[in-house]
Amino acid sequence: RKEVEQDPGPFNVPEGATVAFNCTYSNSASQSFFWYRQDCRKEPKLLMSVYSSGNEDGRFTAQLNRASQYISLLIRDSKLSDSATYLCVVNDGTGGGADGLTFGKGTHLIIQP
Amino acid sequence: DAGVTQSPTHLIKTRGQQVTLRCSPKSGHDTVSWYQQALGQGPQFIFQYYEEEERQRGNFPDRFSGHQFPNYSSELNVNALLLGDSALYLCASSLEPGNSPLHFGNGTRLTVT
Repeated sequence: RKEVEQDPGPFNVPEGATVAFNCTYSNSASQSFFWYRQDCRKEPKLLMSVYSSGNEDGRFTAQLNRASQYISLLIRDSKLSDSATYLCVVNDGTGGGADGLTFGKGTHLIIQP
Repeated sequence: DAGVTQSPTHLIKTRGQQVTLRCSPKSGHDTVSWYQQALGQGPQFIFQYYEEEERQRGNFPDRFSGHQFPNYSSELNVNALLLGDSALYLCASSLEPGNSPLHFGNGTRLTVT
């Protein structure tokens, strides 16, 4: 079973709609969670950290469900500029990545006018 | 405040050749990590440098080696290039090991022919 799994999409969503996608992780000891955004042929950029109590940043809301081992990202009132690939990142200290960071393959989101 | 800078931006090499990629971390950061991202995949961790030593390493062969200099900048060297080494190579810096999140550079796109 892959450590971090995401639906690759693409998710085709009309402008103004709300879209949500999840990311599942396999290690129940995972401690930190992040969403990164990556535009085509660009570097990943931190979108938001995901806290146990859930957190919101403008139109973006991130949630953590430890019992079911997934995190979610919800985007309200989607904009054309939200079109990107969203990478789920999990830090459990054992993933073998830098600081134990393991990246998902990403979910491709396309906002349509 | 300079972010993470990488050079060169693009590179074309032939199979069997050797390549060196360079990275300067974000100001104030002393930890540098290297990732390989193939098309349609999430970033795969290569290794991390801190205090001029390789601190962690991912599942990459010894053909991949690195170095960190006293000014915290870093190099990634790949020997005996294979066609499969064609990818976007990302450098990321962080404030210290274990202190996420990562800040990525623009990447070097390597094409091996």
